[in-house]
Amino acid sequence: AQSVAQPEDQVNVAEGNPLTVKCTYSVSGNPYLFWYVQYPNRGLQFLLKYITGDNLVKGSYGFEAEFNKSQTSFHLKKPSALVSDSALYFCAAREGNKLTFGTGTQLKVEL
Amino acid sequence: GAVVSQHPSWVICKSGTSVKIECRSLDFQATTMFWYRQFPKQSLMLMATSNEGSKATYEQGVEKDKFLINHASLTLSTLTVTSAHPEDSSFYICSAREDGSSYNEQFFGPGTRLTVL
Repeated sequence: AQSVAQPEDQVNVAEGNPLTVKCTYSVSGNPYLFWYVQYPNRGLQFLLKYITGDNLVKGSYGFEAEFNKSQTSFHLKKPSALVSDSALYFCAAREGNKLTFGTGTQLKVEL
Repeated sequence: GAVVSQHPSWVICKSGTSVKIECRSLDFQATTMFWYRQFPKQSLMLMATSNEGSKATYEQGVEKDKFLINHASLTLSTLTVTSAHPEDSSFYICSAREDGSSYNEQFFGPGTRLTVL
């Protein structure tokens, strides 16, 4: 069975600094990986996905993620964080019809 | 991206009553829809997967007689929580996917906050 791990419950970063939100996965076969963001009392918004091809995937709002097969990681990154990026971030892996989510990482960007 | 709506956005009901939540794909045809449940500060737990015109597939531990799912058209799925109890209080999120490609991402609704008194 596939699994997704987000080792950090919360990440704090100062506005303007780079941010990284970590994700590791365990899947059988080729990984289909996703990042979603959730604002309070809202559904999930799609940020980006990795299916195949370039290991560096660019997504919405300036976010990108790096797929690393040897480390089975798919970390989310942004070169310069904004206060408005503060939200809950979920990494997910898809196998067949099922999307499995990590436990989420709360990102807090402070002035 | 594609838009998925949910109605209502929040509902408060008395214990023992039934509540229906609607999920609609507004600008695409959703062959497959998913229902998730999210507890505070926790991840999304898949409850069931439904394909248009067929019975839903429930995850282990989810009571299909309690959480009735109907996916009658390519743009509408409903989740009915029957005889709701306080432990059913949660944030319910639906998701839809336009199939045809296994690469397609799922689009999520804004969620419905259910509070059972």
